[in-house]
Amino acid sequence: QVQLQESGPGLVKPSQTLSLTCAVSGGSISSGGYYWSWIRQPPGKGLEWIGYIYYSGSTYYNPSLKSRVTISVATSKNHFSLKLSSVTAADTAVYYCARTYYDSRGYYPDYWGQGTLVTVSS
Amino acid sequence: DIQMTQSPSSLSASVGDRVTITCRASQSISSYLNWYQQKPGKAPKLLIYAASSLQSGVPSRFSGSGYGTDFTLTISSLQPEDFATYYCQQSYNTPPTFGGGTKVEIK
Repeated sequence: QVQLQESGPGLVKPSQTLSLTCAVSGGSISSGGYYWSWIRQPPGKGLEWIGYIYYSGSTYYNPSLKSRVTISVATSKNHFSLKLSSVTAADTAVYYCARTYYDSRGYYPDYWGQGTLVTVSS
Repeated sequence: DIQMTQSPSSLSASVGDRVTITCRASQSISSYLNWYQQKPGKAPKLLIYAASSLQSGVPSRFSGSGYGTDFTLTISSLQPEDFATYYCQQSYNTPPTFGGGTKVEIK
């Protein structure tokens, strides 16, 4: 059973960089066959896909965040990470990491972390 | 971006009711449509992928249908554990986008 666990600061100051890590257990990122995604949800609102990474390091970023986002992978540690720069209060959200299955019928997160609330405030 | 519009945004129903939630895409997305259930304080859970395929372990009372721009999620007999918010999501085009959600509440 694959498990994902987000970790990182719960409070970030405006203009600083949000950094989160997702540790994966029960499966290897480097085995391929999946994207590894970051998705966020502002309190009381809907879901926004931030981006995803393949084990090889190739990435996709949502254009709405592309200028501020970096997703990286550390296959030796079996984890992947998110950095979001120049944060504002609008970046306050629960951040989820997720394993994302893909095939000819599309792609979808099938395993999710529990989520971590990141608040942007001075 | 492809806009996903869910209706209704909320509904009240009783245990045993048949519930239908609609998701409409702003352009054709073939069958690249997925459905999730989210309970308060929890991560979303995949229910249906590729418009009509039931994710492993999901009860058979959940079903999905549709193609192109119009999709439905049906719960054939609502159970107490089904009270939650449901989201659709398209993966036809990037960026992948979600609907605004439908909250299913107890009548």
